[in-house]
Amino acid sequence: RKEVEQDPGPFNVPEGATVAFNCTYSNSASQSFFWYRQDCRKEPKLLMSVYSSGNEDGRFTAQLNRASQYISLLIRDSKLSDSATYLCVVNQALYSSASKIIFGSGTRLSIRP
Amino acid sequence: EAQVTQNPRYLITVTGKKLTVTCSQNMNHEYMSWYRQDPGLGLRQIYYSMNVEVTDKGDVPEGYKVSRKEKRNFPLILESPSPNQTSLYFCASSFTGTALSSYNEQFFGPGTRLTVL
Repeated sequence: RKEVEQDPGPFNVPEGATVAFNCTYSNSASQSFFWYRQDCRKEPKLLMSVYSSGNEDGRFTAQLNRASQYISLLIRDSKLSDSATYLCVVNQALYSSASKIIFGSGTRLSIRP
Repeated sequence: EAQVTQNPRYLITVTGKKLTVTCSQNMNHEYMSWYRQDPGLGLRQIYYSMNVEVTDKGDVPEGYKVSRKEKRNFPLILESPSPNQTSLYFCASSFTGTALSSYNEQFFGPGTRLTVL
């Protein structure tokens, strides 16, 4: 079983729709969580961190459920420019101050006019 | 401008010919790492470095070497490249690698597309 799993998609939704992705992680030692966005053939960039209480940034809402070990990303009123691959990232504590950063394989989102 | 740079951006080489991909960051970050990205497999960590002279293996270190002699540079070395190392490589850095820190946003370089014939 992969340590971080995402539905690969692709999700193909009309402009203006609301779309949600989930990501599950297997290691309860995971400490911090992020969503990154990657455009085709480009480097990943941080979209938002995910906090225990949930957090919102404009049209984007991230939630963390530690009991069920999943994080989610909700995009409201989707725009054409939201088309990208969304990567779930989990940071696990290892020893001392070291950590292990694990990327999910990504979920492809395509917004159609 | 705060950034991570990688060179070269594109490279086509032949099996067994040693190569080095350079990575440099100008943000005084402690943590640096190398990833490879392959279709369907996502980003997999090759090596990482918590600080100068401290490096450790990631998930797929075989066939790669790294060094961290200076804080800003973290070169990736392929001593004897093979076709299965054909991939898209990303270097990344963050202020710290500590799991609990809110300062571990990863900043990525633009990527190096490597083809080994």
